[in-house]
Amino acid sequence: DTAVSQTPKYLVTQMGNDKSIKCEQNLGHDTMYWYKQDSKKFLKIMFSYNNKELIINETVPNRFSPKSPDKAHLNLHINSLELGDSAVYFCASSQGPTTSATNEKLFFGSGTQLSVL
Amino acid sequence: AQSVSQHNHHVILSEAASLELGCNYSYGGTVNLFWYVQYPGQHLQLLLKYFSGDPLVKGIKGFEAEFIKSKFSFNLRKPSVQWSDTAEYFCAVTPSGGYQKVTFGTGTKLQVIP
Repeated sequence: DTAVSQTPKYLVTQMGNDKSIKCEQNLGHDTMYWYKQDSKKFLKIMFSYNNKELIINETVPNRFSPKSPDKAHLNLHINSLELGDSAVYFCASSQGPTTSATNEKLFFGSGTQLSVL
Repeated sequence: AQSVSQHNHHVILSEAASLELGCNYSYGGTVNLFWYVQYPGQHLQLLLKYFSGDPLVKGIKGFEAEFIKSKFSFNLRKPSVQWSDTAEYFCAVTPSGGYQKVTFGTGTKLQVIP
């Protein structure tokens, strides 16, 4: 009974294609995130949604578009895939958005390894 | 597949106390190890990492971690904590080489009381 689940786990595709990665959480959390694990294996925040509204949008190419149909889902759509998009993408969720007064614990999905050929 | 265990879920310390957060992993091969930290109001950031070489790794803000291969451990330490160290700490592991997914522990919440 996975708390934060991502699909697919592995995605191999050609340059120029459009692809989506889905994320669902069954924890009843209000906030969801997308992180990118880069080639040095470091994680960087990409987006954060709270209750279906975008609250964090880091410097990410606009080919990346998150979509949150409801607060339990945050999908990542990538247009015109490039070689440099190859990475592992992690979805995460927390009860609420982290603020200066609170520190909401993150729950991670198992990651989606994207390979662009 | 690899896994990571963080045994301490919530740690409460007074300022100036010493800190040690446990992290054990299971994987039969060579690994890369990380500690990430999430401070209140901020997003996840890298505290320190081990790829190879000296198993005692020093990170930012006075933190260090020691990789003990025989114990499959990578415990995080700090000799004297400050109130500003209050945060959530995540241990993570990935097999060495190439594109390998990071696996996270469940996190340890550290609360430092002034």
